[in-house]
Amino acid sequence: AQSVTQPDIHITVSEGASLELRCNYSYGATPYLFWYVQSPGQGLQLLLKYFSGDTLVQGIKGFEAEFKRSQSSFNLRKPSVHWSDAAEYFCAVGAGNTGFQKLVFGTGTRLLVSP
Amino acid sequence: EAEVAQSPRYKITEKSQAVAFWCDPISGHATLYWYRQILGQGPELLVQFQDESVVDDSQLPKDRFSAERLKGVDSTLKIQPAELGDSAMYLCASSLVPGLSSYNEQFFGPGTRLTVL
Repeated sequence: AQSVTQPDIHITVSEGASLELRCNYSYGATPYLFWYVQSPGQGLQLLLKYFSGDTLVQGIKGFEAEFKRSQSSFNLRKPSVHWSDAAEYFCAVGAGNTGFQKLVFGTGTRLLVSP
Repeated sequence: EAEVAQSPRYKITEKSQAVAFWCDPISGHATLYWYRQILGQGPELLVQFQDESVVDDSQLPKDRFSAERLKGVDSTLKIQPAELGDSAMYLCASSLVPGLSSYNEQFFGPGTRLTVL
């Protein structure tokens, strides 16, 4: 079954520093991969998604992610973190039959931004 | 900008009581999803509707949970009776069509935080 692992429960980054959040997936074929962000008390917002093609995907808010099939990874990056980026980040993989796939989420990584 | 609406935002109930959550998807979205997010975990799909029909309820605890979308627009998720382990955030999402693709996105509502005492 498709699954996603986010090995870091918490990460603290200084404001202005670079960020990388790790995501590893388990899937037999080419996966559909997603990164979502959830601010406190809010729903999820899609940052970016990968379906095929260029393995470096650009998203909103200055985020990007790179699909690496050899490492089964889809890590999220940002060159310079802002205090407003403090939130919980979820990686997800698409699972199921064509036309009715569902999202399978990882357990999330909470990002703390220090001054 | 169109949004998914959910109410109530917070609900506190006692064990064995009935609770209900309401979701109004983005206008024109045929597919509606209910997710449960337990603290410290990612969301888990409970039920998916295509218009008024259930297309996936494999993770819905059917002995106590029910969901309906009678006119294919808004939806209600009910728990009866509530148990302590049901404390979680209940998220509703909608998309234009079912499935995942480069042009089809799930939009999430703000959620209902349920606490069962």
